[in-house]
Amino acid sequence: DAGVTQSPTHLIKTRGQHVTLRCSPISGHKSVSWYQQVLGQGPQFIFQYYEKEERGRGNFPDRFSARQFPNYSSELNVNALLLGDSALYLCASSNLGQGAVETQYFGPGTRLLVL
Amino acid sequence: AQRVTQPEKLLSVFKGAPVELKCNYSYSGSPELFWYVQYSRQRLQLLLRHISRESIKGFTADLNKGETSFHLKKPFAQEEDSAMYYCALRMNTGFQKLVFGTGTRLLVSP
Repeated sequence: DAGVTQSPTHLIKTRGQHVTLRCSPISGHKSVSWYQQVLGQGPQFIFQYYEKEERGRGNFPDRFSARQFPNYSSELNVNALLLGDSALYLCASSNLGQGAVETQYFGPGTRLLVL
Repeated sequence: AQRVTQPEKLLSVFKGAPVELKCNYSYSGSPELFWYVQYSRQRLQLLLRHISRESIKGFTADLNKGETSFHLKKPFAQEEDSAMYYCALRMNTGFQKLVFGTGTRLLVSP
């Protein structure tokens, strides 16, 4: 298993544009979470999805949205990009709901630069 | 509000020296605490969690609810321990949000 995969690896956008980031969870995992990591900070929670439903949302504006597909992959969308949205966006999948101690497994991230 | 504090941005030690990476948390409920590690050019990965009371790669961490701390310790540091370490808290809510500290970079010199 390749683990959690994310695409693209790097992305450059300009202010006001829209971006879509993608995540494929570990096979069998039904939960995906998204985090934003600004340089020099720890990851900050954006969303969690489980069984295609939003289960939690962090303190981010409505410009941020996400969804989870029937195959449990997920997209994070950010509209009207600001310079401050430049960050590493991490996706984590977990074995939530599968009877084991829940563990989050992180992908390599997508580095977004907004100019 | 819930918060995780890692007071040291950088901790530099020599090989064989003891290591303690500090983590304090603020949360009114019953938390779950974790240590995540990120080695150079690798993804963030779970090192250990307090409920397992385990030792991974020689590291241990004990949850001290009185001091609201979850410090990471290793008696003898190795060069391969050099990495970024993040302490994280998961609240006892209906979903699995992790709150991370700002991280401590551990540098172990020969």
